[in-house]
Formats: sequence, C-alpha cells, structure tokens
Amino acid sequence: AQSVAQPEDQVNVAEGNPLTVKCTYSVSGNPYLFWYVQYPNRGLQFLLKYITGDNLVKGSYGFEAEFNKSQTSFHLKKPSALVSDSALYFCAVRFFRTDKLIFGTGTRLQVFP
Amino acid sequence: DAGVIQSPRHEVTEMGQEVTLRCKPISGHDYLFWYRQTMMRGLELLIYFNNNVPIDDSGMPEDRFSAKMPNASFSTLKIQPSEPRDSAVYFCASAPRGGSGANVLTFGAGSRLTVL
Repeated sequence: AQSVAQPEDQVNVAEGNPLTVKCTYSVSGNPYLFWYVQYPNRGLQFLLKYITGDNLVKGSYGFEAEFNKSQTSFHLKKPSALVSDSALYFCAVRFFRTDKLIFGTGTRLQVFP
Repeated sequence: DAGVIQSPRHEVTEMGQEVTLRCKPISGHDYLFWYRQTMMRGLELLIYFNNNVPIDDSGMPEDRFSAKMPNASFSTLKIQPSEPRDSAVYFCASAPRGGSGANVLTFGAGSRLTVL
C-alpha cells in the first residue's frame, strides 16, 4: 500500500541548533515527495519537493530535505533553527501515476529561544 | 493573484442542516483538491478535479458529501445533512498542470465548520 509516515508528533529544538523532521514513505514507482508547513489558522504552504536528481533538495526559508532511496526516507532539515520556524510540518507523497497527494499526520516543531 | 479563495471562513450550524463550502482556485490552475483536517484523522483528501472533471472521489466519507466544479473558477463542497462528526477545517487547494509547479498545491485559508 502507498503511504507516508511521520513518526514524531512533536520535535523540540533550541534556537540556533540544527533540526530534523522525519518522514518515511512507501510508494510504487519513483516517488514524488513534498514538504509543506502550516502556521496557526492558515492553509499549508509549499516548502520543497523531490522529483528526480540530487538527493539533497533545497527549499524555502533555509530548509532542505534529503532523499534516501534505500531507507525510503525524506527527512526535512535546517542547519540553524529559528523561533519563527515553529509550526506544523507535513510530508506528502504523490501516488504513482496519479495526481493524488497524500499527507502524513504532521509533526509539530517547537523551537525554544 | 489573490490565491485560493475559500468561503465562508467559519460556519456554525446545527445537525441536520445543509452546509455549502465554496472555493475559487487560482486562475489557470487545472487541478482542484478538497481536503479535510481534524485532530484525529489529520489531513484527508476528499476529492480532486482535473479540468473541472472529478478524478478521484474515493475519500468522500459518504453520500452526505458531494462536490461540484461547474467551471474552472468555482467549486463547492456540500454536506447534507450535516452531523457533529463533520466538524473540521476544510481546505481547498489548486495546482497547475505541468512544469516546475506541477503537483505543487496552493492552499486556501480553510473553512472551519462546527456542527452542533
């Protein structure tokens, strides 16, 4: 079955420290992977995507994600966290040969000053 | 562009009433998606359209839910009759057909529905 999982409900990190938000997936064919962020009372905003090419993808606000085919993972990273990065982060995968995007359950990132 | 426009932003209704949520996608986008967000179930895809045609409605919970897209600039999600368990935030999103923006969804601000 095709799916996406975010194993952590919440990630806490101190400002200035590196952050990682985890995502694993299971899809048929080559994966199309995405990260979105949701701030309170707002819709989701696109951060970055992996379709093909370099395994390290750079996106908005200094975020990047590393695609690892052998581990079927697409973890979101940032070298130095900001308090303003505190939000809900969603990993998403496109189903094979469709335009259907399925989202993970979300991970709440809390960055402490 | 003003982005994806959803209305109403908030709706409070009583069980049994009909609810209609509206969405105006970004001009030129070929795809329109309806998602529902709850604490318990997260973000669920209800239905999506391509060029105004419903492609996959397997996420629509039951016959009480229906969605239409009469033209490229307007879609509705209707719940009739509504039930308390329908309480959620309903998001509309649109996406372009191809190019670098393919599959990148732009979300509206959402419609928060409370059914008493």
